[in-house]
Formats: sequence, structure tokens, C-alpha cells
Amino acid sequence: DTAVSQTPKYLVTQMGNDKSIKCEQNLGHDTMYWYKQDSKKFLKIMFSYNNKELIINETVPNRFSPKSPDKAHLNLHINSLELGDSAVYFCASSPRPAHYGNTIYFGEGSWLTVV
Amino acid sequence: AQTVTQSQPEMSVQEAETVTLSCTYDTSESNYYLFWYKQPPSRQMILVIRQEAYKQQNATENRFSVNFQKAAKSFSLKISDSQLGDTAMYFCAFMNGPQGGSEKLVFGKGTKLTVNP
Repeated sequence: DTAVSQTPKYLVTQMGNDKSIKCEQNLGHDTMYWYKQDSKKFLKIMFSYNNKELIINETVPNRFSPKSPDKAHLNLHINSLELGDSAVYFCASSPRPAHYGNTIYFGEGSWLTVV
Repeated sequence: AQTVTQSQPEMSVQEAETVTLSCTYDTSESNYYLFWYKQPPSRQMILVIRQEAYKQQNATENRFSVNFQKAAKSFSLKISDSQLGDTAMYFCAFMNGPQGGSEKLVFGKGTKLTVNP
């Protein structure tokens, strides 16, 4: 069973479209994250949620809107896609609180290409 | 803000040999956590090893071990008996302890390791 699963794994879409990436974790964790990996492989946090509550919003454009319907799910919706949004988006989860050194578990990534 | 630096963009090693990947970080906190993650061509991010800053003993996981030098703010990864499956990007990452605020991983830019047969 996949611990942190994301869909879709690959997505090619045109500029200006709106798209969503879904994430689910079956680990019973309280905290979930979205990280972005750019074309140079640099990974940076975008958001974190704890029990459906937004904890971290790392100066991400408001075209990106995370939604957490319950603590096992954290979806990422992106409006008006731009070329620069092309990246791999990783969902992750951890027991709360992660900064007590708990491991963060990553999904397999969703590769978004905007053309 | 914390920063993580990996000074080796690419490295290569022969199968069965040992290789060391470097990582330095900058923080004013005394309690924090350090991680090495592996990203093979499949893109999956896999935890290799972790170290608590308050522990003096270096972490080990089978063929993987770290050399944690807290005063020097250095956290290198040693891979012994390298295997072809170790070929991957390796990311060093830092996380604050509870008193440091945000519970996010800060990553270095990665080192691409190639194990040659």
C-alpha cells in the first residue's frame, strides 16, 4: 500500500488553465505538506497543514490554493497556470509535530508541464 | 534564515568503493535535525538517514553513515560498498527543533551521484 499517494503523476496542460493535484496519506499523520521541485531540482516548501489547519504558507502566489477536506487529504489547486509553474510537486506527511524530528514521508511526485 | 549548502553538484564512484558527500548548514539554533534524502530517477524522495543535533553519536544505517560536526556545522554522508542502485540525487536537509519555529525542511541543491560498474 502506498503511504502517500498523489494523482495525477503526470500532467501536461496549457497556459491559463486551472488544474488540481490530489494527495492522500494512509499513515494516520496529522501534518501534510506540498513541496515544489523546480527544473534545477531545487526543493522548497509551499504549504503545510495540520489537522486541516494551514500552518505554513511560504509566500506562494495566490493562484495556488491548497485545500484539506480532512487530515488524510491535501489537494493543490492552481489557477491560471503559467510556464513557470512547470515543476514536480511533492505531497508529504509527518506525525505532528514534525519539528520534534519526525520523519517527513514523500509521495512520488506529480510532474506538471505547462505549455 | 537557515541555509543548506552542498558544494558538490556531481560525483561518481566505482561500484564497491566508498564515497563521501558534503553538506554544510547555517543556523543559530542549538536544537535541530538533519537529514539525507535520496532521489533516484524514479523521482521518489527516500529518507536515507537522520541525525538529531543533540546527539553526539553519528547516525548509521547499514552502508550509510554520517559525520556530524556540530561546531563546524557540517553533516557529510558516507556510502560504503557503493552499489549501482545508489545512483541518485542526494539532498541534505535541515529542520528546526521545536523552539526554532517553522517545521519545514530546508534542502540543499543536491549532489548527483553516479555509481559506475
